[in-house]
Amino acid sequence: DTGVSQDPRHKITKRGQNVTFRCDPISEHNRLYWYRQTLGQGPEFLTYFQNEAQLEKSRLLSDRFSAERPKGSFSTLEIQRTEQGDSAMYLCASSVLEGGTAKQYFGPGTRLTVT
Amino acid sequence: RKEVEQDPGPFNVPEGATVAFNCTYSNSASQSFFWYRQDCRKEPKLLMSVYSSGNEDGRFTAQLNRASQYISLLIRDSKLSDSATYLCVVNNPGGSYIPTFGRGTSLIVHP
Repeated sequence: DTGVSQDPRHKITKRGQNVTFRCDPISEHNRLYWYRQTLGQGPEFLTYFQNEAQLEKSRLLSDRFSAERPKGSFSTLEIQRTEQGDSAMYLCASSVLEGGTAKQYFGPGTRLTVT
Repeated sequence: RKEVEQDPGPFNVPEGATVAFNCTYSNSASQSFFWYRQDCRKEPKLLMSVYSSGNEDGRFTAQLNRASQYISLLIRDSKLSDSATYLCVVNNPGGSYIPTFGRGTSLIVHP
């Protein structure tokens, strides 16, 4: 399977715990994005990497959220001291710039439930 | 005003009907546009890009109107399998191509 993969697919955690999610992009894609999606809404941009550099970060991303892409391949998203409002689907997407556009391909997501 | 706005629907149509969705965007400098399809509890999947001249892929036609800042998606001869949420995506300038998603329009095609 050469698509975007995410792990775990589901995570249930208690409020206050830390969680970490992993994303493996399509191998030749140098761009990687993290989104959060809640019911009835479209994906909300969190952060963006080009290779290993984190180039954009949403103002909505609190300091409890951190993302890394140390070798320009897989990425991790960590949420510290989780809150119930963090419950959502966390989506990763990758892309490569072709002809001036960057079509994104999404992974299956990690569904987080904070109890 | 939201950057990208869509009517959430749902649009309830019979099989074989033609249905159209619009999506408006606020940033006149937006550069590229897409439609994605998302099935319930699944990830979004790219349906088609939207080009200035309009483009067609089988039963699907996408149009861009830069003057009025909207894009549209037309689905002809609707199938039951077209039932999904259709997300419009606008990429904003700045070199990073940060996409902004609409909230999606829900389509239900019934027999």
